[in-house]
Amino acid sequence: GAVVSQHPSRVICKSGTSVKIECRSLDFQATTMFWYRQFPKKSLMLMATSNEGSKATYEQGVEKDKFLINHASLTLSTLTVTSAHPEDSSFYICSASSRTGQGNEQFFGPGTRLTVL
Amino acid sequence: EDKVVQSPLSLVVHEGDTVTLNCSYEVTNFRSLLWYKQEKKAPTFLFMLTSSGIEKKSGRLSSILDKKELSSILNITATQTGDSAIYLCAAHSGAGSYQLTFGKGTKLSVIP
Repeated sequence: GAVVSQHPSRVICKSGTSVKIECRSLDFQATTMFWYRQFPKKSLMLMATSNEGSKATYEQGVEKDKFLINHASLTLSTLTVTSAHPEDSSFYICSASSRTGQGNEQFFGPGTRLTVL
Repeated sequence: EDKVVQSPLSLVVHEGDTVTLNCSYEVTNFRSLLWYKQEKKAPTFLFMLTSSGIEKKSGRLSSILDKKELSSILNITATQTGDSAIYLCAAHSGAGSYQLTFGKGTKLSVIP
């Protein structure tokens, strides 16, 4: 149980284009979904927290107009990287929780590798 | 299908105890194993293990990888209440691509 999937697993795009990454909870309803970015030193940076049906809460320093997050249903959240630049190349991971608030149990997706040329 | 299993799922200990958390993995094209500590926001990176039998240490925490047994352990000695958290392990795999498969975590509670 508690499986989270991400699609695509890998995407390569040209600079200036937009890319959408999907995060799905397959066998539970995710009240809250989190989006992370992994850096080369393997640390994870929380980008934003989204609760179903409401606007995402972005962490300081994360541009909400550049990283659009939509949590339209209890099983799906999307992250759209708009006007992508090479510095946006990274590994993006989502996690889902069936309870609100951070610090509760989260189930992680397998991640999406974004490469911007 | 890639899989990472952690045990126990939860653990309650007293301050000063030593704990061992387990992580086993079955992934294709294994590359490394990562341990994270999650308290409030983003999981905090602890260790990355790539070679079997070489212990990594950071203060009271240590970890080792056993590629033959497809497993890793995370040890915490002289536990403190601040060690209370969810500990996650993740297997990094993939030949041409990059994938992380997370376990469901072990919730550690350290009581005074």
